[in-house]
Amino acid sequence: DQQVKQNSPSLSVQEGRISILNCDYTNSMFDYFLWYKKYPAEGPTFLISISSIKDKNEDGRFTVFLNKSAKHLSLHIVPSQPGDSAVYFCAALTSGTYKYIFGTGTRLKVLA
Amino acid sequence: EPEVTQTPSHQVTQMGQEVILRCVPISNHLYFYWYRQILGQKVEFLVSFYNNEISEKSEIFDDQFSVERPDGSNFTLKIRSTKLEDSAMYFCASSTQGGGHYEQYFGPGTRLTVT
Repeated sequence: DQQVKQNSPSLSVQEGRISILNCDYTNSMFDYFLWYKKYPAEGPTFLISISSIKDKNEDGRFTVFLNKSAKHLSLHIVPSQPGDSAVYFCAALTSGTYKYIFGTGTRLKVLA
Repeated sequence: EPEVTQTPSHQVTQMGQEVILRCVPISNHLYFYWYRQILGQKVEFLVSFYNNEISEKSEIFDDQFSVERPDGSNFTLKIRSTKLEDSAMYFCASSTQGGGHYEQYFGPGTRLTVT
């Protein structure tokens, strides 16, 4: 039962260009969404989040877009840097619960 | 900067043995979590813990699993009788409060290998 899906297992982008990572969800009860970045041999690190009352949240080079009708969110990284190379997970949550549902991850490689 | 620590970094055990994975959450955090990631797969929620009680658990967290906060600093995950399919990375996380508005800080993980 994959409630949160990241259909692209990997993505390669040139340094300085935009990286777009996508995430789809099926559970309409989710109302909070998060992106995490994970380097090898480390735990996930929180990147950015968005509540379902918004359709966009921006933090520096990172912007998350939420399309509730399509049950889709995306993470934009502009400009992409080699240090952004990592696995990116989206996660979803229903308010009032503590059960975070993660996607399968997308491995981003930023080429110098 | 405060961080979540986990020990050991790698644990090898034989099938049927009990293992205890240890975590030291960030000191002023009140909510604690365990996740696991089977190699190459998604990160899976196991359990959340608050006020010395389990607040939520997943279907994976069956009677073989238990969590405890034995003192003011440690948070442990016990697997009573390990199975081969328990081999995974286990991540501990903590947050100041519960819910998505509060950032979860993850530890570096414990790699559990069951042979």
